[in-house]
Amino acid sequence: SAVISQKPSRDICQRGTSLTIQCQVDSQVTMMFWYRQQPGQSLTLIATANQGSEATYESGFVIDKFPISRPNLTFSTLTVSNMSPEDSSIYLCSVAPRGSEKLFFGSGTQLSVL
Amino acid sequence: KQEVTQIPAALSVPEGENLVLNCSFTDSAIYNLQWFRQDPGKGLTSLLLIQSSQREQTSGRLNASLDKSSGRSTLYIAASQPGDSATYLCAGPSYNNAGNMLTFGGGTRLMVKP
Repeated sequence: SAVISQKPSRDICQRGTSLTIQCQVDSQVTMMFWYRQQPGQSLTLIATANQGSEATYESGFVIDKFPISRPNLTFSTLTVSNMSPEDSSIYLCSVAPRGSEKLFFGSGTQLSVL
Repeated sequence: KQEVTQIPAALSVPEGENLVLNCSFTDSAIYNLQWFRQDPGKGLTSLLLIQSSQREQTSGRLNASLDKSSGRSTLYIAASQPGDSATYLCAGPSYNNAGNMLTFGGGTRLMVKP
């Protein structure tokens, strides 16, 4: 299993500002995934973050809007840039630890943009 | 591309009932399927993972089945309790530029009334 610490747990932000979400894992993992869950919706993958290379973004998501860092095998950040009310969602990081096919999730960041 | 559908979207039952949540997927080459629980405003908790070689997986009052030929999985909850109230999501693997990812169904929002 994996223990994932994600912060902040929630934030209320003003339009036009940026928020950086941190995700810390208690073990080394190859890939970390960032998901978005819009109100009342299911999860949509934003990007996959590999250590030492640029993140791979899914269709509809771009690096300028959601820059990701992955400085080592236990840590990643997702920034939501130039926020608008449409960015109000829960953002979740997840990992699949080595030797496990299960996906484990952080507790999520509930973002509200005014 | 994998598509995952869950029915019903919402379910309300009295305490003590046995219930079945349904999940269907389009890509029968699925190699596993995972069920998650999500409490309001929170992250996801992995409940069960079924390998394609398995037909069932059990954990306590939960039993998940997988039928690749029909593209279906079910989550059976026995003797439901108010503490089971949550959203239940199923997810199957699909492939993106980074390798693989999970595609989530829309979830079933379960309310168990005392």
